[in-house]
Amino acid sequence: KQEVTQIPAALSVPEGENLVLNCSFTDSAIYNLQWFRQDPGKGLTSLLLIQSSQREQTSGRLNASLDKSSGRSTLYIAASQPGDSATYLCAVDGSSGGGADGLTFGKGTHLIIQP
Amino acid sequence: GAVVSQHPSRVICKSGTSVKIECRSLDFQATTMFWYRQFPKQSLMLMATSNEGSKATYEQGVEKDKFLINHASLTLSTLTVTSAHPEDSSFYICSGRGGLTDNEQFFGPGTRLTVL
Repeated sequence: KQEVTQIPAALSVPEGENLVLNCSFTDSAIYNLQWFRQDPGKGLTSLLLIQSSQREQTSGRLNASLDKSSGRSTLYIAASQPGDSATYLCAVDGSSGGGADGLTFGKGTHLIIQP
Repeated sequence: GAVVSQHPSRVICKSGTSVKIECRSLDFQATTMFWYRQFPKQSLMLMATSNEGSKATYEQGVEKDKFLINHASLTLSTLTVTSAHPEDSSFYICSGRGGLTDNEQFFGPGTRLTVL
């Protein structure tokens, strides 16, 4: 059964720093991997989706990479801002993909950017 | 991206009552809808998968007679928590995928259920 682990569980850094959030998964046969943001008590905001054939995706100050063979993904946040404070979730779609399976989520990284 | 709505956003009920949560895909046809729940400080856990017009498939440990799922149309799925107990208090989130959005799931804003 797929397991997704995110490290660190929590991170607090001063504003302006570049930072990396890590995600690992046990079964490398994935369809895609997605990074989400979740604000307290709120739903999910999709940040980046990487198909299994892709190596990375970029959106603004965010860059996500995928190394499927090693079961790892990283989310890079450049020039962090207080508004980036949230919980960041990594989720994978299993190999049967194509709409058949739900996502397996990590427990998230709780990020605080200090002004 | 595609939009999914949920109603209600928050509900408080007494133990033993039933609660229905609606999930709607507003601008796409969701051939598959998923229901997740999230306990405090935990991640989202998949509860069940439903395809339009078919019975839902439940994950191990999720009681199908307690969590009734109906996916009667391509834009609406409902989750009914029957005879709710305080341990059912959680954040319930649905997602949908289908058609042009088939490679991605789009999530609703979630429903906070509190059972007294």
